[in-house]
Amino acid sequence: DAGVIQSPRHEVTEMGQEVTLRCKPISGHDYLFWYRQTMMRGLELLIYFNNNVPIDDSGMPEDRFSAKMPNASFSTLKIQPSEPRDSAVYFCATRRGASTEAFFGQGTRLTVV
Amino acid sequence: AQSVTQLGSHVSVSEGALVLLRCNYSSSVPPYLFWYVQYPNQGLQLLLKYTSAATLVKGINGFEAEFKRSQSSFNLRKPSVHWSDAAEYFCAVGAGGNTGKLIFGQGTTLQVKP
Repeated sequence: DAGVIQSPRHEVTEMGQEVTLRCKPISGHDYLFWYRQTMMRGLELLIYFNNNVPIDDSGMPEDRFSAKMPNASFSTLKIQPSEPRDSAVYFCATRRGASTEAFFGQGTRLTVV
Repeated sequence: AQSVTQLGSHVSVSEGALVLLRCNYSSSVPPYLFWYVQYPNQGLQLLLKYTSAATLVKGINGFEAEFKRSQSSFNLRKPSVHWSDAAEYFCAVGAGGNTGKLIFGQGTTLQVKP
């Protein structure tokens, strides 16, 4: 398996623009997590899904952020409109079952100018 | 609710010395615990995991961790650190049962001095 695949790897956008981050999980993994990493706040859990259903989105910072998982093979994290404070590395991670380790993608480095 | 605290955001040791990275957790149910390593510009990789079997867990690259329920701790150590171990280390806790939630600590940056 190719592992968790995130795209794009790097994104530079202007403030106010819409940004969409994409994640393809490992086949057979039923949990999918979106994390945001910054120097100040570390690795924050934004939202996670189980069997394509959002379970906990309490970490989503505000209504500008939304995440979807239309099927078991694809998830998106959207920011609209984007702001400079959204600049961070966004990671997608997936796991099989509730007690196993999570596998991480390489991350998307987002810069909002 | 789960939470995890890593004690010390930066640790500096000499190559060949013992390194100990500390992690305390809080969980209302028996936890699953993990240590991950992150090298610059990369994602996180699993070092080792505790899932209610042996309390001393051995991982990759010579790392090991000890689960102590009485202290709510899951400390990571390596008897002789190598320069290539310089990275950021994250402790993570997942609640038992079927909640599936996985929470990470703030991370500890390990510096290895020659």
